[in-house]
Amino acid sequence: NAGVTQTPKFQVLKTGQSMTLQCAQDMNHNSMYWYRQDPGMGLRLIYYSASEGTTDKGEVPNGYNVSRLNKREFSLRLESAAPSQTSVYFCASSGTDKNIQYFGAGTRLSVL
Amino acid sequence: GIQVEQSPPDLILQEGANSTLRCNFSDSVNNLQWFHQNPWGQLINLFYIPSGTKQNGRLSATTVATERYSLLYISSSQTTDSGVYFCAVERGTGNQFYFGTGTSLTVIP
Repeated sequence: NAGVTQTPKFQVLKTGQSMTLQCAQDMNHNSMYWYRQDPGMGLRLIYYSASEGTTDKGEVPNGYNVSRLNKREFSLRLESAAPSQTSVYFCASSGTDKNIQYFGAGTRLSVL
Repeated sequence: GIQVEQSPPDLILQEGANSTLRCNFSDSVNNLQWFHQNPWGQLINLFYIPSGTKQNGRLSATTVATERYSLLYISSSQTTDSGVYFCAVERGTGNQFYFGTGTSLTVIP
């Protein structure tokens, strides 16, 4: 039982490049989330998906797009990376039981 | 959104000491969770506690929803307790969670 799996673990991009962060969960959860974590700022919600086929903006959605590919997978895309998007990105999922969140191991992204 | 403030921002303890971490939030919530982020970055859920008190081993948590705060107690701290502790709140059932900026705990032997 892998839980929440994120790929890649590390990535370095040049300004203007694009990339997609992948996330998959095997807990049959309805809800999935993407957060970014910056030093001294805790975690901030980028986008979330309450169920398959729906996505909604969180606190800091600008510069990102998401796709809920199916119930298991939720991807985050940076179309034109900027240095301000240098961060650690976490994917999480939760079921209907109290919305307890389970996190992946994170993706450390540097944009030069 | 909801403002979530945690205190203290940093804490250094001798192994075996006890501590209390606080989380204040600016609006009524229906979901509050505490997380531990270990030194390798992994986030683990400790408690789901929108109100009342829960205990799990050396950790316990209390949320007083009417006064908009939650406390996390760590007793007989161990070096493995080191890391950052976050509280996160959700208002309504919209799945939007707001995290505090965390308390960084270092337990020294």
